[in-house]
Amino acid sequence: NAGVTQTPKFQVLKTGQSMTLQCAQDMNHNSMYWYRQDPGMGLRLIYYSASEGTTDKGEVPNGYNVSRLNKREFSLRLESAAPSQTSVYFCASSATDRWYNSPLHFGNGTRLTVT
Amino acid sequence: GENVEQHPSTLSVQEGDSAVIKCTYSDSASNYFPWYKQELGKGPQLIIDIRSNVGEKKDQRIAVTLNKTAKHFSLHITETQPEDSAVYFCAASINNNDMRFGAGTRLTVKP
Repeated sequence: NAGVTQTPKFQVLKTGQSMTLQCAQDMNHNSMYWYRQDPGMGLRLIYYSASEGTTDKGEVPNGYNVSRLNKREFSLRLESAAPSQTSVYFCASSATDRWYNSPLHFGNGTRLTVT
Repeated sequence: GENVEQHPSTLSVQEGDSAVIKCTYSDSASNYFPWYKQELGKGPQLIIDIRSNVGEKKDQRIAVTLNKTAKHFSLHITETQPEDSAVYFCAASINNNDMRFGAGTRLTVKP
């Protein structure tokens, strides 16, 4: 049982380049999330998808887009990368819908550097 | 929105001692308070959580206490072991799409 799988693990981009971070979960969870983690700031929510076919902005959505491809997969796209997007990105999933709390299951992250 | 503050940012203890990490939250509507442990190069993993209708929860060497009136909650680890060394995050939320995390505490357990 792999849980939440993220690819790639590491990526270096030049300013202005684009890329897509991939995430897949095999736990049949309804909800999926993208967080970024910066030193001294904890985890901040970028976008989430409460169910297949829906996406919503989180706390820090600017500069990002997402796609909930199906129930298993949720991708994060940077159209024109900026140095401020240098961070570690985590995908997570949870079993229940947006109106009830349940534990988040995280992937192992993608470390992105934008030069 | 919710604001979560976590203290201390770093904590060093001797093996066998207890460790306590404290968090405060701002939104009285928050009703779910999970704690996550993050090891180097890994994603955060849930270690314990508590809901607002409970004041304390324990799981072996780990316990969490919640004071709704004062809007703070704490993680207690007893009989610490070197493998407890990690970064710990608290969080508070009303629902899953509004979960706010503390800045983290780096715990070091010295053998």
